[in-house]
Amino acid sequence: EADIYQTPRYLVIGTGKKITLECSQTMGHDKMYWYQQDPGMELHLIHYSYGVNSTEKGDLSSESTVSRIRTEHFPLTLESARPSHTSQYLCASSEDVLGYTFGSGTRLTVV
Amino acid sequence: QKEVEQNSGPLSVPEGAIASLNCTYSDRGSQSFFWYRQYSGKSPELIMSIYSNGDKEDGRFTAQLNKASQYVSLLIRDSQPSDSATYLCAVNMGGGYQKVTFGTGTKLQVIP
Repeated sequence: EADIYQTPRYLVIGTGKKITLECSQTMGHDKMYWYQQDPGMELHLIHYSYGVNSTEKGDLSSESTVSRIRTEHFPLTLESARPSHTSQYLCASSEDVLGYTFGSGTRLTVV
Repeated sequence: QKEVEQNSGPLSVPEGAIASLNCTYSDRGSQSFFWYRQYSGKSPELIMSIYSNGDKEDGRFTAQLNKASQYVSLLIRDSQPSDSATYLCAVNMGGGYQKVTFGTGTKLQVIP
């Protein structure tokens, strides 16, 4: 079944640690996105990718980085986690003008 | 002015009634319009897409688009308590990159 997977689902980590949030999709979509969303708040685009070796920063300034070495994989990395990074991170993919398919999200807490 | 505007709600409707959710957008060149449903603590789920003026129906959901007025709406007929969620309007502003801008969402409460 075509889908989009995010791991881990929940993560509690100490300040200063390096973390990588995983996102993989089996739909063959070229376009992938990372959004940040605080509880009850709007979605903010932090990174997006048109395809392999293509990555761009989104509308919201973020200290994270992304890579796109394979079509199906779009990981997000925080080199040094801080409490201000505590949020929900949502990965999505899309094809052409069709709507997004979102993963289940990673809820990150930095203590 | 925000690019995509929605009333944050909450919008409360009794079970069985029609819920009407509204969205306006600023870019006249916008090409594609989407409605997502997001339950508390969950990720958004695409429920409707519409690309041309008029109505599009899918089960109990009807999306309405009026490009001249820059207005898109979602009607939910026979509302059920399970429809209680936040509904996000999203607009594809076009261009080489599929730039989709999300509204802040309208919280819908269906009262049994």
